[in-house]
Parts: sequence; structure tokens; C-alpha cells
Amino acid sequence: GAVVSQHPSRVICKSGTSVKIECRSLDFQATTMFWYRQFPKQSLMLMATSNEGSKATYEQGVEKDKFLINHASLTLSTLTVTSAHPEDSSFYICSARDRQGLKAFFGQGTRLTVV
Amino acid sequence: AQKVTQAQTEISVVEKEDVTLDCVYETRDTTYYLFWYKQPPSGELVFLIRRNSFDEQNEISGRYSWNFQKSTSSFNFTITASQVVDSAVYFCALSENQAGTALIFGKGTTLSVSS
Repeated sequence: GAVVSQHPSRVICKSGTSVKIECRSLDFQATTMFWYRQFPKQSLMLMATSNEGSKATYEQGVEKDKFLINHASLTLSTLTVTSAHPEDSSFYICSARDRQGLKAFFGQGTRLTVV
Repeated sequence: AQKVTQAQTEISVVEKEDVTLDCVYETRDTTYYLFWYKQPPSGELVFLIRRNSFDEQNEISGRYSWNFQKSTSSFNFTITASQVVDSAVYFCALSENQAGTALIFGKGTTLSVSS
């Protein structure tokens, strides 16, 4: 079946640096991908919708200049956390749906720790 | 606006007990999808079920069963004869019936099964 691969699974970075997270659809084309954020013991909150070839749509309260999203191809979307701060430490998960919208596939998630 | 409510934050049961996880949703769409996911400590989301709003038949898969009632906007999940391996966070989610829409998640229910 279709798979969404997310990399890296874990990353530790220093405050002030930037971190890039990749999300790939392995055997299907995803014109739209989604980025979620999950704080410990909380739900998955939608951050943004990533559209291939166009600008991402951010949810209210999400800083687009801090969380840069690029969806340059039908199989790859990236999320870059810029000038990371300890409060950005979280679990980030990407998702993509198939063309018919029947299924939703999720990456393995990236646990980001900013020290 | 769409909303998913999982009123049970935490549930603790003893092995072999049956347990029901509640999910109530709100949507103005006439066509939508409902999902249940399991999230073990590793963080990766494990897909359990997807239900189309037109299909109100209950479903059983092994020890798992789902009760979809459109009249009460509920999509409850029952685990029969629970096992320790069922311990995880369970999320109910809702989406429109389109490929370009994200899943909206409930806050999740943490299930702890003790031996």
C-alpha cells in the first residue's frame, strides 16, 4: 500500500538553528500534504496544508515565517523550523491523502528537541 | 466548523475487560469520513478504520468493533477482551470527503490495560 516516509525520526538542535524535516510519498503522488504538531499528551494540531507548486496554507496562529513549508514536487514536502527555540520542541507529523481522498497516510513523525 | 470530541481523557481497565471509547463529532458536511487511529508510545499513528458517512453499518474486526450512529453524531470504538498490548492513545478523526482536506483530530483517549 501507499506509504509516507518522514525523515528524520529524531533530531536535537541548538537554539537559533534551523531544522528541516522531509516528508515523502513513496508510491503515489500527493498534490496536497499536511503538517501536524503534537505536544506531549495532546492531540495532533494541524499546522498547515502544503500544496504542490504553490504556497502553503497556514492555520491560524501558526507563524509562516518560522515554519517554512516547501512542496516542490508531487512526492516531497519539507517543513523547516527556522531559528528554533526550546518551545518549538514537539512531535511533528506529516500526512498525505490519496487522489480519491479515501485514505489518509501518515509519516512516522519527527521528534524535535531544541536545547 | 468541524469538531471531534473525545470526552474520555484516560481509561484504565484490567485485561479481558471490554472497553468503549467514545467519539462525538460535529460537521455541516453531508459527506464526510470518520477515522480511528492508535498511537503507541513510539508515536507512529496506526490506522484502525475509516467510515464513510453514508455507511452506517457497524463493523467488527477481531476484538475491535465500531458503532456509527449518525443520529447522535457518534462513532464509538469498543475493544473486547482487552489486552496489555492495547495500551495506547486512541484518536478519533473527521474529514471532508475530498483529497485536499486534512483530518481533524479529537484530543485522544489514553487507554491503559493492566494485567
